[in-house]
Amino acid sequence: GQNIDQPTEMTATEGAIVQINCTYQTSGFNGLFWYQQHAGEAPTFLSYNVLDGLEEKGRFSSFLSRSKGYSYLLLKELQMKDSASYLCAVRVGNQGGKLIFGQGTELSVKP
Amino acid sequence: SAVISQKPSRDICQRGTSLTIQCQVDSQVTMMFWYRQQPGQSLTLIATANQGSEATYESGFVIDKFPISRPNLTFSTLTVSNMSPEDSSIYLCSVRNQPGQGYEQYFGPGTRLTVT
Repeated sequence: GQNIDQPTEMTATEGAIVQINCTYQTSGFNGLFWYQQHAGEAPTFLSYNVLDGLEEKGRFSSFLSRSKGYSYLLLKELQMKDSASYLCAVRVGNQGGKLIFGQGTELSVKP
Repeated sequence: SAVISQKPSRDICQRGTSLTIQCQVDSQVTMMFWYRQQPGQSLTLIATANQGSEATYESGFVIDKFPISRPNLTFSTLTVSNMSPEDSSIYLCSVRNQPGQGYEQYFGPGTRLTVT
């Protein structure tokens, strides 16, 4: 079976740093994705990791450890607009694969 | 990045009826997927829409309930058949290119369905 775990919700302060963790146990692995989803909107792509290590893109970074089945999304210099749901997804399967999503982490950024 | 449109954007339907949702992409894409997002939940994959052949359904989803068409590389439809209130959800189309042509997967704006 496929299992992807994230905390349900987190709260952080504007200007701070927050780390959202994701652990996974899946049959096959072809990459890990993070998406941001604001209420009432479609998910938007944030990051992709397929090799171990840290990928940095502006205020957002994502880390992957395949041996541990673990990833995190790091958000720096938090802004109020970062309040959203953050979805961890693993690509599994052959012939291009399909994305399986975790339950999502609802992040609230407070002043 | 691919631009995806869906029709309708929202609808309110009576139980027992069917609704067909359209997904149009502005460029040819190899893979198209249909997801469901129930209120307050994450995304659940319904099926992979295969061009020229029957869709591949995930566990818990069947063709009689969610028939899918994909006549070409830019268009797909999902029908929600014999609807019940439990089908109230957001339905999202998603696309990606074949391996070697980019790894990103994009999502359409979604169709918000309410069944009364």
